[in-house]
Amino acid sequence: EAGVVQSPRYKIIEKKQPVAFWCNPISGHNTLYWYLQNLGQGPELLIRYENEEAVDDSQLPKDRFSAERLKGVDSTLKIQPAELGDSAVYLCASSSGQGYTDTQYFGPGTRLTVL
Amino acid sequence: RKEVEQDPGPFNVPEGATVAFNCTYSNSASQSFFWYRQDCRKEPKLLMSVYSSGNEDGRFTAQLNRASQYISLLIRDSKLSDSATYLCVVSLKAGFQKLVFGTGTRLLVSP
Repeated sequence: EAGVVQSPRYKIIEKKQPVAFWCNPISGHNTLYWYLQNLGQGPELLIRYENEEAVDDSQLPKDRFSAERLKGVDSTLKIQPAELGDSAVYLCASSSGQGYTDTQYFGPGTRLTVL
Repeated sequence: RKEVEQDPGPFNVPEGATVAFNCTYSNSASQSFFWYRQDCRKEPKLLMSVYSSGNEDGRFTAQLNRASQYISLLIRDSKLSDSATYLCVVSLKAGFQKLVFGTGTRLLVSP
């Protein structure tokens, strides 16, 4: 079974430029998450989707960050404009969204460096 | 105060040693508890869920103390391959929906 796919794996941009990350969850997984992980820290949730609906975006900095999951499958996270402090790893995760023992599976992440 | 607190380490242990990590959480309404493992520059992967009765998976034993809001992970007979960061994770809901991660505890197992 293919895991969560993310691209690009690495991205280097200059501040004030836009950037977008793409995620394709495990086939059949209805729930998709975007996390931010700073160096030496644990992942922090940015947004959670149930199918195409964003059900928890309370931690998403909406002034510069946006996300979409138009058909309830793959998703894009965008930052515009990027700031130096946005340098981090952006992780996507998915789960089937069913049952107490449902597990979140993470993708390899996109490592963003803002210069 | 952070919702989930862990000693960042690193814990340096020789092969074969037993090592224990602790974690505390602040929200008494937390319902689900997990340990994730994260290798350097890799994604987190679920190691095990943690239940009130305690649970064991091979060399790994996890314990939960709800009264003290304390979670532990014990690794027996450490292997070189156990070197990683261990993330303590708590959810306010049953299951995996709203995970809050600790900063992680780094383990280095040496020959």
